[in-house]
Amino acid sequence: RKEVEQDPGPFNVPEGATVAFNCTYSNSASQSFFWYRQDCRKEPKLLMSVYSSGNEDGRFTAQLNRASQYISLLIRDSKLSDSATYLCVVNKAGGYNKLIFGAGTRLAVHP
Amino acid sequence: EAGVTQFPSHSVIEKGQTVTLRCDPISGHDNLYWYRRVMGKEIKFLLHFVKESKQDESGMPNNRFLAERTGGTYSTLKVQPAELEDSGVYFCASSRQGSRSGANVLTFGAGSRLTVL
Repeated sequence: RKEVEQDPGPFNVPEGATVAFNCTYSNSASQSFFWYRQDCRKEPKLLMSVYSSGNEDGRFTAQLNRASQYISLLIRDSKLSDSATYLCVVNKAGGYNKLIFGAGTRLAVHP
Repeated sequence: EAGVTQFPSHSVIEKGQTVTLRCDPISGHDNLYWYRRVMGKEIKFLLHFVKESKQDESGMPNNRFLAERTGGTYSTLKVQPAELEDSGVYFCASSRQGSRSGANVLTFGAGSRLTVL
């Protein structure tokens, strides 16, 4: 079983749609959680950290459920520029930024 | 502030040859990481330097891979001899200070794409 599991997609949505991605992780001792964005043939870039209380950054909302070991990302009012692969990332318990990446979920936003 | 730079951006070599990848972290970042993404798989941790010392090299696949960070500045990752399964994108990342909480954000370089024929 993979340490971080994501639906690979692709999710094809029209502009303006709301889309949600889910992710599960296997290590209950994991301490930090992130969503990264990766454009084609580019490096991963931090989109947002995920906190237990949930957090929002503009059109993006991230939530963490430690009991279920589940992380989500909600994107409202999708833009063409949101098209990318979204990586669920977990920091290995006790590890200095030893990040465990999910394989990513592809999002394609069309006009 | 200049970002993390990696060289070369793409390298094509034959099986059995040697390749050396270089990473220049953001100035002042003591922590330097190597990650790798092979085709169709997720990005995986290779190793972590704190300054010139290897903090964690548990992700290195085998002894054909050698990473160095002399002087605690730039780092090199050498693959010798290269095998077909080594093909992939090698990412370098850096962060200012270590944090067990992982709250210290990593900045990734654009990656070095390695193709072994």
